[in-house]
Amino acid sequence: DVQMTQSPSPLSASIGDRVTIACRPTQSIGSFLNWYQQKPGKAPKLLIYAASTLHSGVPSRFSGSGSGNDFTLTINGLEPEDFATYFCQQTYIAPFTFGPGTKVDI
Amino acid sequence: VQLVESGGGVVQPGKSLRLSCAGSGFSFSYHGMHWVRQAPGKGLEWVAGISTDESRKDYAESVKGRFTISRDKSTNTVYLEMRSLRGEDTGVYYCAKDLRAYQQWLADWGQGTLVTVSA
Repeated sequence: DVQMTQSPSPLSASIGDRVTIACRPTQSIGSFLNWYQQKPGKAPKLLIYAASTLHSGVPSRFSGSGSGNDFTLTINGLEPEDFATYFCQQTYIAPFTFGPGTKVDI
Repeated sequence: VQLVESGGGVVQPGKSLRLSCAGSGFSFSYHGMHWVRQAPGKGLEWVAGISTDESRKDYAESVKGRFTISRDKSTNTVYLEMRSLRGEDTGVYYCAKDLRAYQQWLADWGQGTLVTVSA
């Protein structure tokens, strides 16, 4: 299985900050990488798919980049509603594993 | 889009359980479907996925041979048959709709159903 790591965790930030979360798979996965946001007690929400494509309805302050073994989720100008846990997921090969998550808190 | 899971509950180790996920508000036949679980206080674990034509059925190693995913286009429902349940199978099980036929872009999620495996 492809294992995923994320850093940092947790991440302390303030409103208006630029935040970057890293995700690294144990093997090269091309651009087969998704990002999700999850708030406590809620189902996850898809933010980014195929490494850099913003899902419909997701604010443009979210962006994804990277390929191969190194990916980044960036939030430009953190809003109060962005305090949540963020997960990456590889979709290169089954099983389609998630990273451990990065909790963004104040 | 609405995804409604059902079938969760408390079950003894070694027993079986079948989860259902009824989809509405979209063309069910055109989208792959997935199950993702989350143990209490833990991260997400992708469990199983099924393509539109059922030619692809994939599973996490932790459930391979014990869980079976299936879909019924006549009722717009996806199922997860779980056998030989273990304590580590405890968690909230989410049903998720793929953005495409089977790209693993989990675009819409249900509210989840809780499975507790305990004697």
